[in-house]
Amino acid sequence: GQQVMQIPQYQHVQEGEDFTTYCNSSTTLSNIQWYKQRPGGHPVFLIQLVKSGEVKKQKRLTFQFGEAKKNSSLHITATQTTDVGTYFCAGRGGYQKVTFGTGTKLQVIP
Amino acid sequence: GAGVSQTPSNKVTEKGKYVELRCDPISGHTALYWYRQSLGQGPEFLIYFQGTGAADDSGLPNDRFFAVRPEGSVSTLKIQRTERGDSAVYLCASRQGGDSPLHFGNGTRLTVT
Repeated sequence: GQQVMQIPQYQHVQEGEDFTTYCNSSTTLSNIQWYKQRPGGHPVFLIQLVKSGEVKKQKRLTFQFGEAKKNSSLHITATQTTDVGTYFCAGRGGYQKVTFGTGTKLQVIP
Repeated sequence: GAGVSQTPSNKVTEKGKYVELRCDPISGHTALYWYRQSLGQGPEFLIYFQGTGAADDSGLPNDRFFAVRPEGSVSTLKIQRTERGDSAVYLCASRQGGDSPLHFGNGTRLTVT
């Protein structure tokens, strides 16, 4: 079945440093969504990418969808302590099943 | 407006017992998903409903797990003969349809002793 992997599994950064997480799917995706889960919380939707090569920005966050629609990345510029949490990508294949990635846990050291 | 509601928030049960976990989705959301999340892992897909029917149940681990959504709204995840390995947070999510975002509930933390 479809597998979605993310690297790194953990990332510790000093506040103000940049952060990037990478997402790779074993199959081509129709779209990819990104979610953030705070400690003790549930995943919360951030953004969706649909088109090959698409790039979207949300303030300090930049999201990319690969040309082959099998990979994606999330880059945070100048991290803040409020960015702490686990970031998941979630991909949909040909049907409505949404498969979540393994997640990247971000710790920001003030 | 009201979000996705899951009850109970915590459930402790003994090995071998039967449990039911309830999900009340956002009103009007036709699609409903169940996921299972173990500590430090990503949400693992279990089953997806479109309306009353289970459109994809390929993630259910075995025949001890079953889910229903009889009226196309509230859903119940049922686990028979629970095992310690079933311990996890069970998350429910709903969405309007198509590729709209998933809205998650706070989850039910199941502990099998």
